[in-house]
Amino acid sequence: GAVVSQHPSRVICKSGTSVKIECRSLDFQATTMFWYRQFPKQSLMLMATSNEGSKATYEQGVEKDKFLINHASLTLSTLTVTSAHPEDSSFYICSARVTETQYFGPGTRLLVL
Amino acid sequence: DQQVKQNSPSLSVQEGRISILNCDYTNSMFDYFLWYKKYPAEGPTFLISISSIKDKNEDGRFTVFLNKSAKHLSLHIVPSQPGDSAVYFCAASAPPNQGGKLIFGQGTELSVKP
Repeated sequence: GAVVSQHPSRVICKSGTSVKIECRSLDFQATTMFWYRQFPKQSLMLMATSNEGSKATYEQGVEKDKFLINHASLTLSTLTVTSAHPEDSSFYICSARVTETQYFGPGTRLLVL
Repeated sequence: DQQVKQNSPSLSVQEGRISILNCDYTNSMFDYFLWYKKYPAEGPTFLISISSIKDKNEDGRFTVFLNKSAKHLSLHIVPSQPGDSAVYFCAASAPPNQGGKLIFGQGTELSVKP
């Protein structure tokens, strides 16, 4: 149980375009999901907390207008990187919480050219 | 301000021996701790957790010890296997007034040599 999927697993896009990443809880409902970003050789950096039916809570320094989060159902949260630039290239990982444990998706590798 | 610290960036262990990964935290309000294993270009995999009301939790080859007075926890893997080679992250669950989010350490890269 507690399986989280992400789609796509990797995406390459041109600078200035928008990219949507989906995070799904496959066998459970998640009122709270989280979005992280990981730079090479570094720890996971929490970007935002996604709450079903309400606005996401962004961490300090994360631009909410650039990283749009929508949590429209109990099994799906989406992260849209708007007007992507090369510096947005990174590994994006989502998680869903079951009681006090977070279960992570496999991650999405974004490359902006 | 690093609230969760893993001071050893890397650890090398011989197959069959014990691996001990350490983690320190600063916030005494943390009440739940977790260990994750991560391979490159993959999401973290949950390994084991411990509540602050316990000092030990065991699951197969993995045991987590918690010393609240020292604000220290450790993950023991015994016997270590080559497939255990990965980056291990400890995490603390933040109090509800911080959104219940996980705060991660920097990770320790474990290498188990045959």
